[in-house]
Amino acid sequence: GAVVSQHPSRVICKSGTSVKIECRSLDFQATTMFWYRQFPKQSLMLMATSNEGSKATYEQGVEKDKFLINHASLTLSTLTVTSAHPEDSSFYICSARFSTGGADTQYFGPGTRLTVL
Amino acid sequence: AQSVAQPEDQVNVAEGNPLTVKCTYSVSGNPYLFWYVQYPNRGLQFLLKYITGDNLVKGSYGFEAEFNKSQTSFHLKKPSALVSDSALYFCAVREQTGANNLFFGTGTRLTVIP
Repeated sequence: GAVVSQHPSRVICKSGTSVKIECRSLDFQATTMFWYRQFPKQSLMLMATSNEGSKATYEQGVEKDKFLINHASLTLSTLTVTSAHPEDSSFYICSARFSTGGADTQYFGPGTRLTVL
Repeated sequence: AQSVAQPEDQVNVAEGNPLTVKCTYSVSGNPYLFWYVQYPNRGLQFLLKYITGDNLVKGSYGFEAEFNKSQTSFHLKKPSALVSDSALYFCAVREQTGANNLFFGTGTRLTVIP
């Protein structure tokens, strides 16, 4: 099956610093990638849709200046949490859309656990 | 508007018994339906999807799901549960036209008791 990697898997940072998370589709090209946030014992919350070569589309309530998304190539999207604060601590999961000509399937990365001290 | 309901937060089943994890959905048009499984501190793994055609869909690890249009349901099933099936299961829906992204249910934690 299609593989999506995420790096780093875990990061601890001080409040006020910025953190970059990379998402890569390893064996397929993804024109569309998605970034989710998951709180403990809750479902995934879509943050933004990342389109290769264009600006990301953010969901309502998600600050685009705080969560910077760049989709530089068909296999790489990055999420940068700028000036991180403790409330940004969460599990961030990316997903890449694999187009098969029928119902596209989203494949998910293993997630990044962000802890802001 | 799209939505997914997983009415059970927790499902417990004895090893070797059949398991069912329930999911109902709401979409404006025809749905694409998905099941994913999440192990602790991991991302989501794709199990199976319904596109069209046969209402019974078979997926990974012996799981299957049945699409029921009249009941707007897509319950996940397995004939004989394994302890290793214990995980968090998410149902998701996407309209066949229009919305670009998946809408997820709140998840059901399955515990298989040895």
